[in-house]
Amino acid sequence: DQQVKQNSPSLSVQEGRISILNCDYTNSMFDYFLWYKKYPAEGPTFLISISSIKDKNEDGRFTVFLNKSAKHLSLHIVPSQPGDSAVYFCAASGNAGGTSYGKLTFGQGTILTVHP
Amino acid sequence: DGGITQSPKYLFRKEGQNVTLSCEQNLNHDAMYWYRQDPGQGLRLIYYSQIVNDFQKGDIAEGYSVSREKKESFPLTVTSAQKNPTAFYLCASRALYQPQHFGDGTRLSIL
Repeated sequence: DQQVKQNSPSLSVQEGRISILNCDYTNSMFDYFLWYKKYPAEGPTFLISISSIKDKNEDGRFTVFLNKSAKHLSLHIVPSQPGDSAVYFCAASGNAGGTSYGKLTFGQGTILTVHP
Repeated sequence: DGGITQSPKYLFRKEGQNVTLSCEQNLNHDAMYWYRQDPGQGLRLIYYSQIVNDFQKGDIAEGYSVSREKKESFPLTVTSAQKNPTAFYLCASRALYQPQHFGDGTRLSIL
């Protein structure tokens, strides 16, 4: 049972345009969400997170939106750069983020390719 | 320079052998995790530990074992009972109120 789903295996975007990566979840107990970026043969790197008490969080070119009623979150990258080309994973936790060392449930990942 | 070190980067195992993957962190994090990644799939949790001398099974613990004798170290043993051990293994650690940080992984292959 896939509790966190990234339905687009890949996304191709032109440099300078917006990249939108989507993630859906089914478990209503999830209340903390994260996005990680991963290059081949390396470990994932944390990008940005959002708590369920918010609907938006920004960090530079990266913005995460959370729609709790739809159980949907998205990562917007503006403007996209060739160095953003990587696999992006969304992850969810049901332990209010930092209040315990709860486990994360990951989506399958979306391969983003940004063309110069 | 603080971080998580996984070794070796590539590991080969003969069928029927146990093999141990190393994970060391110098971030002073209390919690440590082991994940497995297969092609086209997300990361699946094998085991995690929130404190020394204590650990819990994740979603796919069968065929694996761990120990947590020191705060800095969380080795994973892939036993011969794991029927499909070929995968990319990732170790992570975390401090309270912080996201998980990952090592660069170990790729295990069966000869």
